[in-house]
Amino acid sequence: DQQVKQNSPSLSVQEGRISILNCDYTNSMFDYFLWYKKYPAEGPTFLISISSIKDKNEDGRFTVFLNKSAKHLSLHIVPSQPGDSAVYFCAARGGGSNYKLTFGKGTLLTVNP
Amino acid sequence: KAGVTQTPRYLIKTRGQQVTLSCSPISGHRSVSWYQQTPGQGLQFLFEYFSETQRNKGNFPGRFSGRQFSNSRSEMNVSTLELGDSALYLCASTPGGGETQYFGPGTRLLVL
Repeated sequence: DQQVKQNSPSLSVQEGRISILNCDYTNSMFDYFLWYKKYPAEGPTFLISISSIKDKNEDGRFTVFLNKSAKHLSLHIVPSQPGDSAVYFCAARGGGSNYKLTFGKGTLLTVNP
Repeated sequence: KAGVTQTPRYLIKTRGQQVTLSCSPISGHRSVSWYQQTPGQGLQFLFEYFSETQRNKGNFPGRFSGRQFSNSRSEMNVSTLELGDSALYLCASTPGGGETQYFGPGTRLLVL
């Protein structure tokens, strides 16, 4: 049972435009959500996070939106740059003292010059 | 500050052997988590250690075990290796567990 889903395996965007990556979850106990970026043969790099008590968090070109009622979050990258090309993983943390992260399968973002 | 380090970076083993992977967390971080990444299953949680105690555990068989030392360094052991254990094994650390997890570069294990 996949509790965190990223339904788009890939996304292609033109440089300078907005990239929107989506993620859905099913477990209402998740209390913290994160986005990681990953290049092949490297570990995931933390990008941005959001607590379940917020609906938006911004950090430079990256903004994460959380819609708790829809159990949906999205990552907006604007403007997109060729260096943003990587696999993006959405992750959710279990509530309380359960610090395990549950990951989606990832979305491959390609930003074309 | 130095990041999370993992050794070795690459490893080739044969079925039935055992393997030990090592993780050194970011200085000051006391929580270490381990994840397995495979093409089919994605990133899956193995276990988390804090102050030398296993605090959380994922759904992996008993062949997968770990430990943490007093300096917060952690090791993961897989006994009786199977072909399906071929994966990228990632370690992540946080100060106490509830904060953002920072990942190491991983150990790529190939079981032949």
